[in-house]
Amino acid sequence: GEDVEQSLFLSVREGDSSVINCTYTDSSSTYLYWYKQEPGAGLQLLTYIFSNMDMKQDQRLTVLLNKKDKHLSLRIADTQTGDSAIYFCAESIDQAGTALIFGKGTTLSVSS
Amino acid sequence: GAVVSQHPSRVICKSGTSVKIECRSLDFQATTMFWYRQFPKQSLMLMATSNEGSKATYEQGVEKDKFLINHASLTLSTLTVTSAHPEDSSFYICSARARGRDQPQHFGDGTRLSIL
Repeated sequence: GEDVEQSLFLSVREGDSSVINCTYTDSSSTYLYWYKQEPGAGLQLLTYIFSNMDMKQDQRLTVLLNKKDKHLSLRIADTQTGDSAIYFCAESIDQAGTALIFGKGTTLSVSS
Repeated sequence: GAVVSQHPSRVICKSGTSVKIECRSLDFQATTMFWYRQFPKQSLMLMATSNEGSKATYEQGVEKDKFLINHASLTLSTLTVTSAHPEDSSFYICSARARGRDQPQHFGDGTRLSIL
């Protein structure tokens, strides 16, 4: 079945780069997503990548996809205290890109 | 763009009460809406998928008579938790997706439901 795994915690210092990793099992995934959740709030879409892409960059965010290894990463450059949140990796599991399977989330803690 | 509004943000009520949660897409037409449940420090669990004008599709283990979903228009879906009990206390989050293959899901801010 489908499974998305992430490390649970990451702690970095302000100004450093953060790299959050994710692995997935469904090779037919069409899109892979990164969402951010702040305490008590819903999920904010950060970025997403189509499965035939290797990399996508958007300002401080860089997504790398290794489809062979089914590995996705999110790099946040110049991490700020406001980046502290839970980051969820998700894959779409049908061709229409509708249903999502989420990882358990990585809690990013940024210290000043 | 792509704003999803969820209301109310927090509900506290007595056991046996039915609670309705609204999910609205404010600046786009949502052909598909999703309802998730999130337990503390856990990931999101998909409860059901609803397409405008048709019955919702529930995930295995989710009681359709307990969690009533109505997607009456392209901008509004509602989740009603009927005869809520303490074990229904949770964080409920909706998402909405516009028509088209490349459209991602956009999430509301969630509803914290507490049943006493």
